Amino acid sequence: EAGVTQSPTHLIKTRGQQATLRCSPISGHTSVYWYQQALGLGLQFLLWYDEGEERNRGNFPPRFSGRQFPNYSSELNVNALELEDSALYLCASSRPPTDTQYFGPGTRLTVL
Amino acid sequence: GDSVTQMEGPVTLSEEAFLTINCTYTATGYPSLFWYVQYPGEGLQLLLKATKADDKGSNKGFEATYRKETTSFHLEKGSVQVSDSAVYFCALKTGNQFYFGTGTSLTVIP
Repeated sequence: EAGVTQSPTHLIKTRGQQATLRCSPISGHTSVYWYQQALGLGLQFLLWYDEGEERNRGNFPPRFSGRQFPNYSSELNVNALELEDSALYLCASSRPPTDTQYFGPGTRLTVL
Repeated sequence: GDSVTQMEGPVTLSEEAFLTINCTYTATGYPSLFWYVQYPGEGLQLLLKATKADDKGSNKGFEATYRKETTSFHLEKGSVQVSDSAVYFCALKTGNQFYFGTGTSLTVIP
């Protein structure tokens, strides 16, 4: 069974640009979670999608947004990039009602 | 608000030593508690979990007991191996949100 996949592996942008990160969940999983892992800050919850709907979002500004497609894959968009957005962005999927999350390898976003 | 606090690392142990990584939490209601592990070059993976007070999660020789009275979920292993070298994250789920600790890096030396 294929795990959670994320693309791209690395992304380099300049301040003010937009970044798009993609995630494909494990087959049969309907929930997708996005996290930001900045150095020394642990994982910060960003967004949760389930069955195509945004179910919850963390304490991040509106320029962090996303969506979930009918095949349950997901996109995270970050607009007006700032230097402090540089981090590892992790995607996880789960199959409700279980609350066990399976993580992808992450996308390393660097903002110059 | 809800949060998780885990001991800061890095932690360095000799092989076969006893391991404890402390984790305490603050939460309203009755959260589920988790330990995730991130081996070098790999993604996070679930190590163990507990969903109610006094539950004990266990896997690969690791154990953690959900202690509501002390709001703790400490990770323990009686005899660590070099292959246990990784970063360990304590996490809780309450309502529709997950909260993770900052991670504790463990290095086991032969």
